[in-house]
Amino acid sequence: DSGVTQTPKHLITATGQRVTLRCSPRSGDLSVYWYQQSLDQGLQFLIQYYNGEERAKGNILERFSAQQFPDLHSELNLSSLELGDSALYFCASSPLIPTEAFFGQGTRLTVV
Amino acid sequence: GQQLNQSPQSMFIQEGEDVSMNCTSSSIFNTWLWYKQDPGEGPVLLIALYKAGELTSNGRLTAQFGITRKDSFLNISASIPSDVGIYFCAGRDNQGGKLIFGQGTELSVKP
Repeated sequence: DSGVTQTPKHLITATGQRVTLRCSPRSGDLSVYWYQQSLDQGLQFLIQYYNGEERAKGNILERFSAQQFPDLHSELNLSSLELGDSALYFCASSPLIPTEAFFGQGTRLTVV
Repeated sequence: GQQLNQSPQSMFIQEGEDVSMNCTSSSIFNTWLWYKQDPGEGPVLLIALYKAGELTSNGRLTAQFGITRKDSFLNISASIPSDVGIYFCAGRDNQGGKLIFGQGTELSVKP
């Protein structure tokens, strides 16, 4: 167990809908990262937050947004969902910028 | 943008054989991390490297941070069936701290 908790584990929704994925980092970790992994694909970096502020942005679509709350948990919001958004979404956390990152078990999103 | 080239893409080996995989980057990284991912699970951290030239072991796994800071390799000795999975390298830049991942090496071990 990495200590990073993601909910829900599975999510099935229809095209055009909006969903929210939640991540609770390891206790004391300030950085949260979101990654997307499509079928047979690598891990694509979406966005990073550090202590509540956006730190880095990857190839995140405009339909996607995220935030990190004062208690350090983070949410990834995906709207106007398309079939191609079906993927595993992972959250990772790390205590300080230049150290290890630990991943949650992921949320498997299926858009039908 | 930053890219990591990981090779090989896949490996099919016999149990007991040694395995080597590597990653190269067009950019300098301050940290190299190696992860293993089982199907449908999150990546699990295997080894972290922080200094150029650093050689670190974790059981049968050994990884090195290249002197140029643009590459890293992972060796697995005496492979066993539970080594099966996808291995990812990841580099952390010195700008935003984000982790950039390689495309993964899928390892299959034949008993």
